[in-house]
Parts: sequence; C-alpha cells; structure tokens
Amino acid sequence: EVQLVESGGDLVQPGGSLRLSCAASGFTFSSYSMNWVRQAPGKGLEWVSYISTSGDTTYYPDSVTGRFTISRDNAENSLYLHMNSLRVEDTAVYYCARGPPFFHPWGQGTLVTVSS
Amino acid sequence: EIVMTQSPATLSVSPGERATLSCRASQSVSSNLAWYQQKPGQAPRLLIHGASTRATDIPARFSGSGSGTEFTLTISSLQSEDFGVYYCQQYSNWPPWTFGQGTKVEIK
Repeated sequence: EVQLVESGGDLVQPGGSLRLSCAASGFTFSSYSMNWVRQAPGKGLEWVSYISTSGDTTYYPDSVTGRFTISRDNAENSLYLHMNSLRVEDTAVYYCARGPPFFHPWGQGTLVTVSS
Repeated sequence: EIVMTQSPATLSVSPGERATLSCRASQSVSSNLAWYQQKPGQAPRLLIHGASTRATDIPARFSGSGSGTEFTLTISSLQSEDFGVYYCQQYSNWPPWTFGQGTKVEIK
C-alpha cells in the first residue's frame, strides 16, 4: 500500500524555524517527484513546494520563496520541508503529496501553528 | 499564473439527487485538470484526472467533462459519503500548480 506519513508540526513563534518530514512507503520513492501542499484553517489548498526525483530541481511560489527549502533523502525514503522566518500566515496543515502532474496520494497532514 | 474559479461556493443537495460542480480556468489548460474530494479532518483524495478519467477505485457516479477553460464534475446520484468539499486543480502551466477555492457539497 502506498503511504505518506508527515510529522514535525508544532507551535512556533513568528520568526522561528521548523522542519517537517514525510516518510514514504509502498512505492519506489526515488522514481517520483514530490510536493508539499498546505491548507490554512477553514481555507483552500495552496501548493508550496516541488522537488524532482534526484532533488536537483525545486520550485516554490512567491509566498514562501527564500524562506522554505524542500529536500529529500532517497536512501531513507523521506521528504523534508525546512521552514524559516515563519509568519502567522504560514499557519496551516501541511500535506506531502506525490506528483505532479496531479497530486496522488496525499499524507494525512501535520499542523503548523505560528503564534506568539 | 492560471487562476481557477469554482462555482457555486456551496451546493445543497438531497441524497439521490444529481450534483453539478463547475470550474473555470483563467486561460486554457487543455485537459490538464484534476478534481479532488476532501472530507472534514481528512486529506484530499484524487477523483478525476485528465478532466474525465476516474482515479482508481472511484465510483462510476463521479464523472468529469470539459476542456480548455470550462470544466464540470457531476455526481449522478449523491450518496451520504459524498458530502464534503471538492477542489479542481490545473497542471497545464506550472509552476505554480493552482487550485480552485473549493465547492462545499452539503445535505439539503
């Protein structure tokens, strides 16, 4: 069974840092590009980062460029999101998702709360 | 960036009735469109890709149509487990990959 399990979400102060992890199983992780997608409380879905199979290509939207860094460890079947200079508006559930072109499957999500 | 707009924001439907959800793209995305279902407290689930191809294990009552800028998701006979929020997503012109704001399907 294909499975993605996120971890690392926490309460952090504005300006702080956090690292999220996503453990993959049930498929050949190194053969797939991966993403992080977030959802603020009561809001819609926002794609926040992409990484290619080898990790040499990454993309971000303007909202997180320069603050977030996506990375992966294919030997450990793991995906990461390093978040710096966190803002209140970064508060959201963060999902890892396999893809593109579309996103499938998704993990269950991990909650990041940025508040003083 | 391609902007995706969904309508209506909320759709009230009785079980057994037909539900029709719309998604419009700000420019043509050809058939590079996916639909997702999200239930409260759960992650989104892929329903449709390529505008009209059902994902694995998705019931036949879900169907997608359209191309270019106008798309429709139809649920032919709504079941109790179908209530939730539905999102469309384009993957024609990226990055970024963009989603609509969602349509909430609720019990009438």
